Amino acid sequence: GQQLNQSPQSMFIQEGEDVSMNCTSSSIFNTWLWYKQDPGEGPVLLIALYKAGELTSNGRLTAQFGITRKDSFLNISASIPSDVGIYFCAGQPMRFGAGTRLTVKP
Amino acid sequence: GAGVSQTPSNKVTEKGKYVELRCDPISGHTALYWYRQSLGQGPEFLIYFQGTGAADDSGLPNDRFFAVRPEGSVSTLKIQRTERGDSAVYLCASSTGNSPLHFGNGTRLTVT
Repeated sequence: GQQLNQSPQSMFIQEGEDVSMNCTSSSIFNTWLWYKQDPGEGPVLLIALYKAGELTSNGRLTAQFGITRKDSFLNISASIPSDVGIYFCAGQPMRFGAGTRLTVKP
Repeated sequence: GAGVSQTPSNKVTEKGKYVELRCDPISGHTALYWYRQSLGQGPEFLIYFQGTGAADDSGLPNDRFFAVRPEGSVSTLKIQRTERGDSAVYLCASSTGNSPLHFGNGTRLTVT
Protein backbone atom coordinates (compact mmCIF):
# COMPACT_ATOMS: atom_id res chain seq x y z
CA GLY A 1 0.00 0.00 0.00
CA GLN A 2 0.92 3.64 -0.01
CA GLN A 3 3.60 4.44 2.54
CA LEU A 4 4.18 7.83 4.13
CA ASN A 5 7.59 8.38 5.70
CA GLN A 6 7.59 11.12 8.28
CA SER A 7 10.72 12.58 9.84
CA PRO A 8 12.10 13.19 12.29
CA GLN A 9 10.40 10.75 14.66
CA SER A 10 10.93 13.11 17.57
CA MET A 11 12.34 16.56 18.28
CA PHE A 12 13.45 18.24 21.48
CA ILE A 13 13.76 22.01 21.10
CA GLN A 14 14.02 25.13 23.18
CA GLU A 15 11.11 27.55 23.37
CA GLY A 16 11.47 30.19 20.69
CA GLU A 17 13.26 27.95 18.20
CA ASP A 18 11.90 27.17 14.75
CA VAL A 19 10.90 23.61 13.83
CA SER A 20 10.79 21.80 10.52
CA MET A 21 9.38 18.35 9.80
CA ASN A 22 8.62 16.58 6.55
CA CYS A 23 6.77 13.77 4.93
CA THR A 24 7.64 11.80 1.81
CA SER A 25 5.84 9.17 -0.16
CA SER A 26 6.57 6.75 -2.97
CA SER A 27 3.15 7.59 -4.41
CA ILE A 28 1.60 10.79 -5.69
CA PHE A 29 -1.08 12.42 -3.57
CA ASN A 30 -3.57 15.07 -4.62
CA THR A 31 -3.99 16.39 -1.09
CA TRP A 32 -1.60 16.78 1.84
CA LEU A 33 -2.88 17.44 5.32
CA TRP A 34 -1.08 18.20 8.57
CA TYR A 35 -2.67 17.31 11.92
CA LYS A 36 -1.67 17.76 15.56
CA GLN A 37 -2.69 15.30 18.26
CA ASP A 38 -2.66 15.94 22.00
CA PRO A 39 -2.81 13.07 24.53
CA GLY A 40 -6.25 11.53 24.85
CA GLU A 41 -7.65 13.44 21.91
CA GLY A 42 -8.17 12.88 18.23
CA PRO A 43 -6.00 14.60 15.61
CA VAL A 44 -6.90 18.21 14.83
CA LEU A 45 -6.34 19.65 11.36
CA LEU A 46 -3.68 22.35 11.13
CA ILE A 47 -3.22 22.97 7.42
CA ALA A 48 -4.64 21.49 4.21
CA LEU A 49 -2.78 21.65 0.89
CA TYR A 50 -4.54 20.97 -2.40
CA LYS A 51 -2.18 22.06 -5.19
CA ALA A 52 1.35 21.00 -6.06
CA GLY A 53 3.78 23.76 -5.11
CA GLU A 54 1.24 25.42 -2.82
CA LEU A 55 2.66 27.22 0.21
CA THR A 56 0.15 27.93 2.97
CA SER A 57 0.47 29.66 6.33
CA ASN A 58 -1.67 29.51 9.43
CA GLY A 59 -0.26 31.81 12.09
CA ARG A 60 3.18 30.49 13.05
CA LEU A 61 2.69 27.42 10.87
CA THR A 62 3.76 27.16 7.24
CA ALA A 63 3.35 24.11 5.06
CA GLN A 64 4.22 23.34 1.46
CA PHE A 65 2.92 20.78 -1.00
CA GLY A 66 5.94 19.48 -2.92
CA ILE A 67 6.04 20.08 -6.67
CA THR A 68 6.37 16.34 -7.34
CA ARG A 69 3.25 15.72 -5.19
CA LYS A 70 5.24 13.14 -3.25
CA ASP A 71 6.30 15.25 -0.31
CA SER A 72 5.34 18.02 2.07
CA PHE A 73 6.94 19.93 4.92
CA LEU A 74 5.62 21.74 7.96
CA ASN A 75 7.46 24.58 9.67
CA ILE A 76 6.64 26.05 13.07
CA SER A 77 8.26 29.38 13.87
CA ALA A 78 9.05 30.73 17.34
CA SER A 79 7.86 27.60 19.15
CA ILE A 80 5.94 27.89 22.41
CA PRO A 81 5.23 25.26 25.09
CA SER A 82 1.71 24.56 23.80
CA ASP A 83 3.20 23.37 20.49
CA VAL A 84 4.05 20.14 22.32
CA GLY A 85 2.30 17.16 20.78
CA ILE A 86 2.46 14.71 17.92
CA TYR A 87 2.28 16.04 14.37
CA PHE A 88 0.96 13.80 11.60
CA CYS A 89 1.01 14.21 7.87
CA ALA A 90 -1.70 12.60 5.80
CA GLY A 91 -1.33 12.10 2.08
CA GLN A 92 -5.00 11.64 1.63
CA PRO A 93 -7.74 11.04 4.11
CA MET A 94 -6.93 7.37 4.45
CA ARG A 95 -3.17 7.29 4.96
CA PHE A 96 -1.21 8.85 7.83
CA GLY A 97 2.47 9.06 8.62
CA ALA A 98 3.79 7.66 11.91
CA GLY A 99 4.08 11.14 13.42
CA THR A 100 6.72 13.53 14.75
CA ARG A 101 6.70 13.91 18.53
CA LEU A 102 7.60 17.48 19.47
CA THR A 103 8.85 18.47 22.91
CA VAL A 104 9.40 22.14 23.70
CA LYS A 105 11.54 23.04 26.70
CA PRO A 106 10.66 26.37 28.35
CA GLY B 1 -23.46 18.21 18.78
CA ALA B 2 -20.57 20.44 17.84
CA GLY B 3 -18.08 17.68 17.13
CA VAL B 4 -17.65 13.97 16.47
CA SER B 5 -18.71 12.00 19.53
CA GLN B 6 -17.42 8.51 20.31
CA THR B 7 -18.69 6.22 23.02
CA PRO B 8 -17.56 4.70 25.22
CA SER B 9 -14.35 6.62 25.80
CA ASN B 10 -12.80 3.51 27.37
CA LYS B 11 -13.71 -0.14 27.03
CA VAL B 12 -12.07 -3.07 28.80
CA THR B 13 -13.10 -6.53 27.66
CA GLU B 14 -11.89 -10.08 27.99
CA LYS B 15 -10.29 -11.98 25.17
CA GLY B 16 -12.92 -13.68 23.06
CA LYS B 17 -15.73 -11.26 23.84
CA TYR B 18 -17.71 -9.14 21.38
CA VAL B 19 -17.56 -5.33 21.48
CA GLU B 20 -19.35 -2.47 19.78
CA LEU B 21 -17.91 1.02 19.45
CA ARG B 22 -20.18 3.91 18.51
CA CYS B 23 -19.53 7.06 16.51
CA ASP B 24 -21.85 10.07 16.19
CA PRO B 25 -20.52 12.22 13.34
CA ILE B 26 -21.02 15.93 12.89
CA SER B 27 -24.55 16.57 11.71
CA GLY B 28 -24.76 16.71 7.94
CA HIS B 29 -21.41 15.03 7.31
CA THR B 30 -21.91 12.38 4.67
CA ALA B 31 -18.49 10.76 4.93
CA LEU B 32 -17.45 8.75 7.98
CA TYR B 33 -14.12 7.03 8.61
CA TRP B 34 -12.86 4.55 11.20
CA TYR B 35 -9.19 4.36 12.11
CA ARG B 36 -7.18 2.32 14.60
CA GLN B 37 -4.23 3.87 16.39
CA SER B 38 -1.67 1.85 18.30
CA LEU B 39 0.74 3.44 20.77
CA GLY B 40 3.40 5.47 19.00
CA GLN B 41 1.81 5.05 15.59
CA GLY B 42 -0.27 7.13 13.24
CA PRO B 43 -3.94 6.36 12.62
CA GLU B 44 -4.41 3.26 10.47
CA PHE B 45 -7.33 3.36 8.06
CA LEU B 46 -10.03 0.72 8.58
CA ILE B 47 -13.18 1.64 6.67
CA TYR B 48 -14.86 4.59 4.97
CA PHE B 49 -18.60 5.21 4.55
CA GLN B 50 -20.22 7.54 2.08
CA GLY B 51 -23.79 7.78 3.30
CA THR B 52 -25.03 4.34 4.34
CA GLY B 53 -22.66 2.30 2.22
CA ALA B 54 -19.10 1.24 2.88
CA ALA B 55 -17.17 2.86 0.02
CA ASP B 56 -13.86 1.31 1.06
CA ASP B 57 -13.38 -1.40 3.66
CA SER B 58 -9.92 -2.43 2.54
CA GLY B 59 -8.38 -1.53 5.90
CA LEU B 60 -10.39 -3.98 7.99
CA PRO B 61 -7.77 -6.46 9.23
CA ASN B 62 -9.94 -9.60 9.10
CA ASP B 63 -13.52 -10.81 9.17
CA ARG B 64 -13.80 -10.31 12.94
CA PHE B 65 -14.16 -6.60 12.21
CA PHE B 66 -17.37 -5.17 10.79
CA ALA B 67 -18.94 -1.72 10.68
CA VAL B 68 -22.40 -0.42 9.85
CA ARG B 69 -24.03 2.93 9.26
CA PRO B 70 -27.67 2.01 8.62
CA GLU B 71 -29.18 5.49 8.46
CA GLY B 72 -26.21 7.41 7.13
CA SER B 73 -25.35 9.12 10.40
CA VAL B 74 -24.35 7.08 13.48
CA SER B 75 -21.90 4.25 12.83
CA THR B 76 -21.00 1.20 14.91
CA LEU B 77 -17.72 -0.68 14.67
CA LYS B 78 -18.15 -4.28 15.76
CA ILE B 79 -15.34 -6.61 16.77
CA GLN B 80 -16.03 -10.30 17.32
CA ARG B 81 -13.92 -12.75 19.33
CA THR B 82 -11.59 -9.98 20.48
CA GLU B 83 -7.88 -10.67 20.74
CA ARG B 84 -5.23 -8.91 22.83
CA GLY B 85 -3.76 -7.50 19.62
CA ASP B 86 -7.00 -5.60 19.04
CA SER B 87 -6.11 -3.31 21.94
CA ALA B 88 -5.76 0.22 20.55
CA VAL B 89 -7.51 3.56 20.30
CA TYR B 90 -10.27 3.44 17.70
CA LEU B 91 -10.82 6.83 16.09
CA CYS B 92 -13.81 7.99 14.10
CA ALA B 93 -13.79 10.98 11.76
CA SER B 94 -16.36 12.64 9.55
CA SER B 95 -16.35 15.12 6.70
CA THR B 96 -18.60 16.64 4.07
CA GLY B 97 -16.92 14.66 1.31
CA ASN B 98 -13.70 16.14 0.05
CA SER B 99 -13.23 18.42 3.03
CA PRO B 100 -10.65 17.56 5.70
CA LEU B 101 -11.60 15.17 8.46
CA HIS B 102 -12.90 16.09 11.89
CA PHE B 103 -11.90 13.47 14.46
CA GLY B 104 -13.51 12.33 17.67
CA ASN B 105 -11.45 11.67 20.79
CA GLY B 106 -11.51 7.93 20.23
CA THR B 107 -12.43 4.83 22.18
CA ARG B 108 -9.55 3.20 24.02
CA LEU B 109 -10.10 -0.56 23.79
CA THR B 110 -8.19 -2.86 26.11
CA VAL B 111 -8.50 -6.61 25.64
CA THR B 112 -7.30 -8.56 28.67
